[in-house]
Amino acid sequence: DQQVKQNSPSLSVQEGRISILNCDYTNSMFDYFLWYKKYPAEGPTFLISISSIKDKNEDGRFTVFLNKSAKHLSLHIVPSQPGDSAVYFCAASDGLTGGGNKLTFGTGTQLKVEL
Amino acid sequence: NAGVMQNPRHLVRRRGQEARLRCSPMKGHSHVYWYRQLPEEGLKFMVYLQKENIIDESGMPKERFSAEFPKEGPSILRIQQVVRGDSAAYFCASSPRGGGEKAFFGQGTRLTVV
Repeated sequence: DQQVKQNSPSLSVQEGRISILNCDYTNSMFDYFLWYKKYPAEGPTFLISISSIKDKNEDGRFTVFLNKSAKHLSLHIVPSQPGDSAVYFCAASDGLTGGGNKLTFGTGTQLKVEL
Repeated sequence: NAGVMQNPRHLVRRRGQEARLRCSPMKGHSHVYWYRQLPEEGLKFMVYLQKENIIDESGMPKERFSAEFPKEGPSILRIQQVVRGDSAAYFCASSPRGGGEKAFFGQGTRLTVV
């Protein structure tokens, strides 16, 4: 049962344009969402997070949008840079209200930013 | 401030041997999580520990796998009698608090069972 889904295994974007990575979830108990970036042979690196009481969080070039009614979140990267090329994982937890401590990850989207 | 340290980075074991994976959390972090990433899949939660306590082991296989986080020293993930299906990347993460908040990951240990 895949509770966090990233339906696009890959995405290719030109440098300078916007990258939009999508994530859907099924568990209505999730109340905290995170995006991680991962390079080959390295561990995931935290990018940005959002709690369920918000619908948008922005940090520099990265913005995460949360649509609770649709159980959907997205990560926008603008402008995209070649160094952004990596696998992006969406993750969720029910830690804020449910007391859960584990993150449930999606399967990842490979972003390639081309020159 | 050093990040989460995992060792070894690569580990090769023959079927039936034991694998011991170590994780030292970031300074000041008392919460440790272990995740496993099988080829072509996302990370799957295995176990959550605080010092000397296992809090949530709902993702651990029932047999051959165990984890500890002693009062002194690193957290250890132990796999006994390894099989080919155990080949994966094992990631450790730590956080200052629980509750599924932002966790910092180590670089992982890549276990290959031959």
